[in-house]
Amino acid sequence: AQTVTQSQPEMSVQEAETVTLSCTYDTSESDYYLFWYKQPPSRQMILVIRQEAYKQQNATENRFSVNFQKAAKSFSLKISDSQLGDAAMYFCAYPSTSGTYKYIFGTGTRLKVLA
Amino acid sequence: GAGVSQSPSNKVTEKGKDVELRCDPISGHTALYWYRQSLGQGLEFLIYFQGNSAPDKSGLPSDRFSAERTGGSVSTLTIQRTQQEDSAVYLCASSLVLTGKGTGELFFGEGSRLTVL
Repeated sequence: AQTVTQSQPEMSVQEAETVTLSCTYDTSESDYYLFWYKQPPSRQMILVIRQEAYKQQNATENRFSVNFQKAAKSFSLKISDSQLGDAAMYFCAYPSTSGTYKYIFGTGTRLKVLA
Repeated sequence: GAGVSQSPSNKVTEKGKDVELRCDPISGHTALYWYRQSLGQGLEFLIYFQGNSAPDKSGLPSDRFSAERTGGSVSTLTIQRTQQEDSAVYLCASSLVLTGKGTGELFFGEGSRLTVL
């Protein structure tokens, strides 16, 4: 079965420091996307970053980058120079490329940023 | 508007009443998802539409829940005979389907907060 696991329910980081959120997934598919979404307290979910599985280069978006290890099925999110506005729930997600295209989310990591 | 629109944003109802939640996706997005999110929790998948058909409705919790989509656009989630455990935020999201790569980025609405008294 396709699954997405986030093993850290909550993380804290000092402002301006770096934090890494972990995500592992399980699939037998060969090419697919992986996503990190952010849900601030105002509740609207937004995309943070995406990674295409066939690309070996890790995706980067400003202060956000991923460490994608395809063989290990690991997809962690690194936030550099953390800001107060980064405080949110972060969800890792994997959209299946076969069958019913089910979009599978992890259980989320709540990130607290300490001033 | 350009984004996913959900209505109502808040709904308070009495136990046993029926409620309808509406989702208006981004124009041209063929994929539409409904999720349920309890306070501080993750996303519980309810149903997925591709066009007007629902290839995956495995997440609907009971036969009190139903959903439809018309014209490949607007979707309505109906909860009959509401119960207190139905209280949650109901999120709708839409996306393009990328051939061979599944669904692309999901665009979420702001959600409909349902409170059943």
